[in-house]
Amino acid sequence: RKEVEQDPGPFNVPEGATVAFNCTYSNSASQSFFWYRQDCRKEPKLLMSVYSSGNEDGRFTAQLNRASQYISLLIRDSKLSDSATYLCVVTGINTNAGKSTFGDGTTLTVKP
Amino acid sequence: DTEVTQTPKHLVMGMTNKKSLKCEQHMGHRAMYWYKQKAKKPPELMFVYSYEKLSINESVPSRFSPECPNSSLLNLHLHALQPEDSALYLCASSQGAALRGQPSTDTQYFGPGTRLTVL
Repeated sequence: RKEVEQDPGPFNVPEGATVAFNCTYSNSASQSFFWYRQDCRKEPKLLMSVYSSGNEDGRFTAQLNRASQYISLLIRDSKLSDSATYLCVVTGINTNAGKSTFGDGTTLTVKP
Repeated sequence: DTEVTQTPKHLVMGMTNKKSLKCEQHMGHRAMYWYKQKAKKPPELMFVYSYEKLSINESVPSRFSPECPNSSLLNLHLHALQPEDSALYLCASSQGAALRGQPSTDTQYFGPGTRLTVL
């Protein structure tokens, strides 16, 4: 089983749609959780950190469920510019301090 | 300023060449990372430096040799690479709090990468 698993996608949605991505992780000692987006041939850029209380930034909402070891990202009112690959990232602590594990990514294409 | 810079942007080298990739950050971060990314795959961690000391080596072949001359700079020395080493090499940095056993959301900031082709 992979340490971090994401919805395989791809997701193809019309503009204005709401889309949700899911991610599960296997190490219950994981400490930090993030969503990054990566455009084609570019570096990953931080989209959001994910907290147990949930957090929202404009059209984006991230949730963490530690009991189920599950992270989600919700995008409302999708824009063409949201088309990218979304990477779920989990970072350990102590023996795995600083080691970030990336999911395989979920590709989103928003169409007019 | 959340900028990590990398040079060169592109590099083509033969299997007998020696070259170096460079990474720089001026955010006062104390952790720096090298990742390798192949097409349509996620980044794979290679090395982590914490407070200028190598803290994680993910069983990377010795033809890749990292160096951290100071807290702002990270190099990756390349020697006798194979064509399968062709990839995007990403550098990242973070505050490093997680590396000291402190609970934190230690966000990593990535540079634009060096696209390496080994002939």
